[in-house]
Amino acid sequence: EVQLQQSGPELQRPGASVKLSCKASGYTFTEYYMYWVKQRPKQSLELIGRIDPEDGSNDYVEKFKNKATLTADTSSNTAYMQLSSLTSEDTATYFCARQGGYHVMDAWGQGASVTVSS
Amino acid sequence: DIQMTQSPSSMSASLGDRVTITCRASQDIGNYLSWFQQKPGKSPRRMIYGATNLAAGVPSRFSGSRSGSDYFLTISSLESEDMAIYYCLQSIQYTYTFGAGTKLELK
Repeated sequence: EVQLQQSGPELQRPGASVKLSCKASGYTFTEYYMYWVKQRPKQSLELIGRIDPEDGSNDYVEKFKNKATLTADTSSNTAYMQLSSLTSEDTATYFCARQGGYHVMDAWGQGASVTVSS
Repeated sequence: DIQMTQSPSSMSASLGDRVTITCRASQDIGNYLSWFQQKPGKSPRRMIYGATNLAAGVPSRFSGSRSGSDYFLTISSLESEDMAIYYCLQSIQYTYTFGAGTKLELK
């Protein structure tokens, strides 16, 4: 069974950074892109970017290029996303999701809540 | 960027009703259209991919179809467990874009 286990909720101060993790199991980690998706409270879903765990190459949505950094550790089958210079606009739930057919996310993590507050 | 216009933003329906949600693409996306279901506090769940393909484990009352640049998610006979928010996603052109969502409620 494919599973993506994300790290727990975070409460951070404005200006801080946070690193979220997503541990994959039940499949070969290097064979599938991993996406990261943002969902602000009561809002739609927003793609942040994707990473190819096999070689670490990544693509970012333009608005997140200076906000998010995606990495992957093949030794632990874990994908990471670091968010920098946090503001209230970064308060959201962040999901990791595996790419399946038609480039569609076919398995999702449970989400990680990030709250930015002074 | 490709825009996805989803309608309605919310709707209420009765158990057993036939329900249809629509997404319109601003450019040609072929069949690179998928539908997700999200319940409160949960992750999105892939329901339909490739415009018409039912994802594994999804009840057969769900179906996807297409007419030109309009894409449809249909629930043939609404059940209580279908109450959720539904999102479409275009995945032909990176960066992929989601629709704004349709909140489906029980009448």
